[in-house]
Amino acid sequence: QSVLTQPPSVSAAPGQKVTISCSGSSSNIANDYVSWYQQLPGTAPKLLIYDNNKRPSGIPDRFSGSKSGTSATLGITGLQTGDEADYYCGTWDSSLSSVVFGGGTKLTVL
Amino acid sequence: QVQLVESGGGVVQPGRSLRLSCAASGFTFSSYGMHWVRQAPGKGLEWVALIWYDGNNKYYADSVKGRFTISRDNSKNTLYLQVNSLRAEDTAVYYCARMKGGDATGLSSFDIWGQGTMVTVSS
Repeated sequence: QSVLTQPPSVSAAPGQKVTISCSGSSSNIANDYVSWYQQLPGTAPKLLIYDNNKRPSGIPDRFSGSKSGTSATLGITGLQTGDEADYYCGTWDSSLSSVVFGGGTKLTVL
Repeated sequence: QVQLVESGGGVVQPGRSLRLSCAASGFTFSSYGMHWVRQAPGKGLEWVALIWYDGNNKYYADSVKGRFTISRDNSKNTLYLQVNSLRAEDTAVYYCARMKGGDATGLSSFDIWGQGTMVTVSS
């Protein structure tokens, strides 16, 4: 059971927008920065968002991140079939003194 | 180019040990904190350990504390994970990952990942 809670799956049509939630607690999300990762099948994870809402160079602005209290959200607009992947949120948990991840959300672009 | 390459995985019996390595290239290894993250077959990501850029601070997941040891040799641009007393539940792909520097503040931002090395614990 993961410390951070994500929906197991989300889906939307090409061109539409989807959001993926990540719920935590006062010892993790509320207390530190959140990152988001995309993992395409058979590949290593890729950093999409860091420090809640910053995008590394090369990540399109279709991807966005936000945080409020003990929850964070990843938004993806203009969905493409190539966005089909597993998405993970992560942050530092000060009570555990460890990085914690969400269980992952599988995005299906119908 | 900036790259991380893991090695050292394999099939090992329960209770045995392995040493995983992660060779870094294309960046100043000694300036970055480094992590190990694992992923069991068909499962999500599980953080394993973190070591500070200078090796002076180390953190571990509760599930591996006392059995795994993270270390680094900055003269060889290499990160290590000594895994002892292996259990079936340690079966996973083990990734090394670089903690993002620059303007990043959070400890969970990993901007460079290796391709992973598979560890299978089985009798």
